Amino acid sequence: EAGVAQSPRYKIIEKRQSVAFWCNPISGHATLYWYQQILGQGPKLLIQFQNNGVVDDSQLPKDRFSAERLKGVDSTLKIQPAKLEDSAVYLCASSQRAGRLNEKLFFGSGTQLSVL
Amino acid sequence: EDQVTQSPEALRLQEGESSSLNCSYTVSGLRGLFWYRQDPGKGPEFLFTLYSAGEEKEKERLKATLTKKESFLHITAPKPEDSATYLCAVQASGSRLTFGEGTQLTVNP
Repeated sequence: EAGVAQSPRYKIIEKRQSVAFWCNPISGHATLYWYQQILGQGPKLLIQFQNNGVVDDSQLPKDRFSAERLKGVDSTLKIQPAKLEDSAVYLCASSQRAGRLNEKLFFGSGTQLSVL
Repeated sequence: EDQVTQSPEALRLQEGESSSLNCSYTVSGLRGLFWYRQDPGKGPEFLFTLYSAGEEKEKERLKATLTKKESFLHITAPKPEDSATYLCAVQASGSRLTFGEGTQLTVNP
C-alpha cells in the first residue's frame, strides 16, 4: 500500500516568514497526526485529527501554528511567523482506526525546516 | 506528566555483538509501550507494541521485553543494516504518545 506522503521534503526560510506543509495519509486512515522532531530529540505531538475533528492540540503553539484537515483526508500545517526555534523535521503520521488506543502509527518521511 | 528516558544515547557495536537498549518510563496507567526504528532522513517505523509487564515480542534479531518500570530492546547478533535510531514511546489513558529521545545504534562490519 502507498505510504504517507509529505511535501516539500526540505524548506529554508527566514525568520518571520510563513511556511506550509502538506500531508496525504494512507487511504482510509481515520486519524492523522503532526509531530515536530527537533534534532536529537524524539517526536513531539503538535496536533491529532480524527476524521475532520481535532482530538488533541494541547501542544500546538496556537499563536503561530495552525493546521487543518480537509474532508477528512489531506492536511496542511502552517507556521506564521516562523521563529528560529521552529527549525525541525515536521512529521505527519496516520493510523487506521478512530478513537482506538494502541494503534500503530505510519509515518511519512517528513519535511525538514530550517529557519535562518 | 508522562516521562520516557532512553539509554544509552548512542551505542556502537561490532557485527555479531549482542546488546540491549533501555527505556525507562513514568506514566499513570500504561496502555501500551511502543518501539519504533528511525533511519536517517525517514520517519519512524513501527516495530512492537507491549501491553503488560512480562510480555515479550520478537522480530528477527530483535526482542522487546516489558516490566512495570522499563522496557528492553535486545539485539542478538546485530548486522550493519540494524544501524538506526531506536525510539521508545508510551501511551497512557490520554492517548497521546510520548516519545523518548532515542538510542542511536551503529553496527560496524
